[in-house]
This record gives sequence, structure tokens and C-alpha cells, in this order.
Amino acid sequence: DAKTTQPPSMDCAEGRAANLPCNHSTISGNEYVYWYRQIHSQGPQYIIHGLKNNETNEMASLIITEDRKSSTLILPHATLRDTAVYYCIVRRNYGQNFVFGPGTRLSVLP
Amino acid sequence: NAGVMQNPRHLVRRRGQEARLRCSPMKGHSHVYWYRQLPEEGLKFMVYLQKENIIDESGMPKERFSAEFPKEGPSILRIQQVVRGDSAAYFCASSSGTSGGAMDEQFFGPGTRLTVL
Repeated sequence: DAKTTQPPSMDCAEGRAANLPCNHSTISGNEYVYWYRQIHSQGPQYIIHGLKNNETNEMASLIITEDRKSSTLILPHATLRDTAVYYCIVRRNYGQNFVFGPGTRLSVLP
Repeated sequence: NAGVMQNPRHLVRRRGQEARLRCSPMKGHSHVYWYRQLPEEGLKFMVYLQKENIIDESGMPKERFSAEFPKEGPSILRIQQVVRGDSAAYFCASSSGTSGGAMDEQFFGPGTRLTVL
């Protein structure tokens, strides 16, 4: 599975949009981009995933560049409860494990 | 619709004892994954099971660790003769495996925190 690169940490003001970048320059055509987050020491929580089109759900939006070499997770109105480590993962086939990197530690500040 | 359940949530063992961690997947899910998270580190894949079969155990330590997912009942991660280095959070995830392609998100349980004294 392709490796991803994320900034180790980011800050965001409460109520503002949080934009978390992810680089996956070696992604293959059949690999999906997944985002998870881990709040404190809880189990990882699924956020969103996509292949090539932008995606939106009740939690976030995922913007994937046309060449698919990078993506951005957008939390439109960050709250204090969004403080967590965010993981960007690419994966090819269902039934395979996720390879978690160090992620981005997002701190939402009051 | 209950999520992934793990028990116990906290487990304390002395060196040399056995630890048994249980995972009940979401209803309708037949794929189970175990991950380990050492303090201040990321999650590391251990093993992937389907009912009665181990599909991928490439992340499992060669000795003392075993996993099973019987036809009936929860998946069990078993650690024999625990050592202090086994202290970690162990997470289980489940998926349906029916979506096809890579659109098969895994749902994680709350984890079991193992402390070895």
C-alpha cells in the first residue's frame, strides 16, 4: 500500500475550518484514500473515504487533487471535540489491514 | 445497532501470566482485525481473521501470541507468558467484507488496555 505523508501537528481556532493535508504521491489507480481519527486513547473513528471524486458527509469533506497525489480533509466548523490525531491512509483491496502512520495531531483552540 | 465490543476494557497481568482479549464484531460483520498501540506510538496491524480462518498474521509476534475467530462467539487474542513489553492498547476492528474493492471501512472497538506488572 502507498505511503502517506502528513504534518505532525496543526492548530485551528474553534469555529473555523480545519484543513488537514495528506501527500500520497505514489498512490495507484485502484487505491482509495481513507481518513480516520483517534480522540485521546479511544478506538480510531472512521471519517470518510474516496477514490477520485470529492466526497462529503456529515462529518467532513474530502478533496482529492486531479492527479490523486494529495488530498485534504476539511472539517468545516471545528469544535473542541475535534481535537484528535487524524490519519490519512491509502489502501488497495478490501480485506486488507490499514497501515497507520503517525498522523496529524490537530488541536482546536478556544 | 451495537458497535464493535471489546472486553475487558482494562486488564492487569503479572509477568508470566496469560492474557485473553475478546472482540465481538458489529452485527453482520465477518471480518476481524487486531491492532496494537504501544504508548505514544501509532497503531500496528497484528492479524486479520474471518470466521474460523486466519487470513493474514504477518503482524503477529512469532511466539506467545495467537488469535482465533470461531464459528460461534467472539474473536480471541491470546497472549501467553506476558512480559512488560506487551503493555499496550489492543484494538479490534470489524468489517463486512461485502462492499468489494477497497470501499470496506473498518469499525474499531474501544480497545483493551493491557498492563503487565
